[in-house]
Amino acid sequence: DGGITQSPKYLFRKEGQNVTLSCEQNLNHDAMYWYRQDPGQGLRLIYYSQIVNDFQKGDIAEGYSVSREKKESFPLTVTSAQKNPTAFYLCASSPGQLQPQHFGDGTRLSIL
Amino acid sequence: AQSVAQPEDQVNVAEGNPLTVKCTYSVSGNPYLFWYVQYPNRGLQFLLKYITGDNLVKGSYGFEAEFNKSQTSFHLKKPSALVSDSALYFCAVRDETGNGGATNKLIFGTGTLLAVQP
Repeated sequence: DGGITQSPKYLFRKEGQNVTLSCEQNLNHDAMYWYRQDPGQGLRLIYYSQIVNDFQKGDIAEGYSVSREKKESFPLTVTSAQKNPTAFYLCASSPGQLQPQHFGDGTRLSIL
Repeated sequence: AQSVAQPEDQVNVAEGNPLTVKCTYSVSGNPYLFWYVQYPNRGLQFLLKYITGDNLVKGSYGFEAEFNKSQTSFHLKKPSALVSDSALYFCAVRDETGNGGATNKLIFGTGTLLAVQP
């Protein structure tokens, strides 16, 4: 089945540690997105990529980094500079303009 | 600035009754609107979209939405609620600022928790 796979489902970060969240899609979509979800705040865009080897900052990119070396993969690194990383992180992809985004099942990141 | 508002944090409805989840938007130009549903600890699932044409849009699981340009609203509706419809619902509009249209970025509302009582 085609879809988006996010791993791990749960992740714990220690102080000063960088952690990487995986996002893989087999939908052959060009565009991919990372969102952060906090209770009562909806989804906020962290980074997005329209094509391999290109990505753009979203509304809350500080403390995060991404790469897009392959069409299928768009990993997100939460760096130690992100002081409040506890949240639910969602990855999405889209086949093109005016088409709905497809979402993975998320990674919940907590601080130890 | 472009935005989406979902004025109700929670909507309670009895099973079998009609339900409405409200959404209003503010965009420059034509709005492209979406509804998604989220079950606990899951990603968002697409329900329906309005791009152009008929103001009443039909979507998945018996949901529909009514686009009202004069009221800048896009309310989600269902004639008869099910307990299994209980979930978090998000309204979204495509971001048209800059080259936002080309990137298909979405601006999401804060979500409305729908609780359907048996």
